[in-house]
Amino acid sequence: NAGVTQTPKFQVLKTGQSMTLQCAQDMNHEYMSWYRQDPGMGLRLIHYSVGAGITDQGEVPNGYNVSRSTTEDFPLRLLSAAPSQTSVYFCASSPRREGTYEQYFGPGTRLTVT
Amino acid sequence: EDKVVQSPLSLVVHEGDTVTLNCSYEVTNFRSLLWYKQEKKAPTFLFMLTSSGIEKKSGRLSSILDKKELFSILNITATQTGDSAIYLCAVYRGGSEKLVFGKGTKLTVNP
Repeated sequence: NAGVTQTPKFQVLKTGQSMTLQCAQDMNHEYMSWYRQDPGMGLRLIHYSVGAGITDQGEVPNGYNVSRSTTEDFPLRLLSAAPSQTSVYFCASSPRREGTYEQYFGPGTRLTVT
Repeated sequence: EDKVVQSPLSLVVHEGDTVTLNCSYEVTNFRSLLWYKQEKKAPTFLFMLTSSGIEKKSGRLSSILDKKELFSILNITATQTGDSAIYLCAVYRGGSEKLVFGKGTKLTVNP
């Protein structure tokens, strides 16, 4: 099992460019989510999905889009990058069983927008 | 609005010291509280606490939840330099499918 994988590990974008951060999991987890982590801010939820075809907004969704066409993949799209989106992005997944709330995190993508 | 507050935000200790990290919360429809350790990369799961007063233990780390006073503590005894990390507290809200995270406590253990 690879667990949760994310690509790329690092990315530098210019303001206004678009890109997609990839996330995949091989644990057959129904629940997947995207967080961003900024210094001193903990983890903030961007978008999440409870299954293929179902997505919803988290705490800080503006400027980001997601889709979930398969159980395994949950890409995050930046439509027009801004310096405020410079951050470390983590994808996570969970089996979504009652009593099991632990989320498994990917290794992260460090994004810099200049 | 849901809130998870961790204290202190940072802590520097010497190897061998015992530390207590705090997490208080105000969350609608509380289901569970989770602790994570984050070193250089992804957070890794430590404990999940659902019931008051039942201590969870793993080696030198232990944690307990008080649902009446709405807080949890994470204890680390005989600290080692490898315990240096950010410790994150998160609360799961029933019906929301979301974990609400605190800002974390950055622990530095000096030799």
